[in-house]
Amino acid sequence: EIVMTQSPATLSVSPGERATLSCRASQSISSNLAWYQQKPGQAPRLLLFGATTRATGIPARFSGSGSGTEFTLTISSLQSEDFAVYYCQQYSNWPPPYTFGQGTKLEIK
Amino acid sequence: QVQLVQSGAEVKKPGASVKVSCKVSGYILTELSMHWVRQAPGKGLEWMGGFDLEDGETIYAQKFQGRVTMTEDTSTDTAYMELSSLRSEDTAVYYCAVSQGYCSGGTCYDWFDPWGQGTLVTVSS
Repeated sequence: EIVMTQSPATLSVSPGERATLSCRASQSISSNLAWYQQKPGQAPRLLLFGATTRATGIPARFSGSGSGTEFTLTISSLQSEDFAVYYCQQYSNWPPPYTFGQGTKLEIK
Repeated sequence: QVQLVQSGAEVKKPGASVKVSCKVSGYILTELSMHWVRQAPGKGLEWMGGFDLEDGETIYAQKFQGRVTMTEDTSTDTAYMELSSLRSEDTAVYYCAVSQGYCSGGTCYDWFDPWGQGTLVTVSS
């Protein structure tokens, strides 16, 4: 099973600033990585897939980079609605299990 | 677009079974690859299994093999997830989610959008 590790566990950033979230895979997953945003009491929402491709309707301030084992989600100029928990998910190994990181909580500084 | 509406919260005793439904609208269930993911209180996301459109079979996470059954009623476009032999550790929100990925050469790549609103299953004596 591929283990996904996200860092930091909590990130405190001021509105208008940039946030950088990291996700590491225990083995190479090429670009088979998705990012999700989850707000309290809500289901996760897909942000990015293929490590860098934004899902439909996702603002351009969300961007992704990386391949292999190291990945980054960057949110430029944080808006109030961006404060949430973010998860990465690998979909590289077949047959599954698909695995998620433990999440990074992005909070207002 | 695809919308998913799940059944309501459940309270079950240890050893019992629970069946959660996920009603699809805006699309035909047979054209979708439906998966199930759960989230224990205050914890992360855990993939349980899903339907492989390419070979028409359901794949389960090894952790749940023998305890979980995922089915579909195509006449009502409703997917179901049944989990048996419940224990306290199964207390979680259970989500259905549609794969937006693809299969190629016998390998599938699945990421999920949209998700249902979630169903809280509480296991308590």
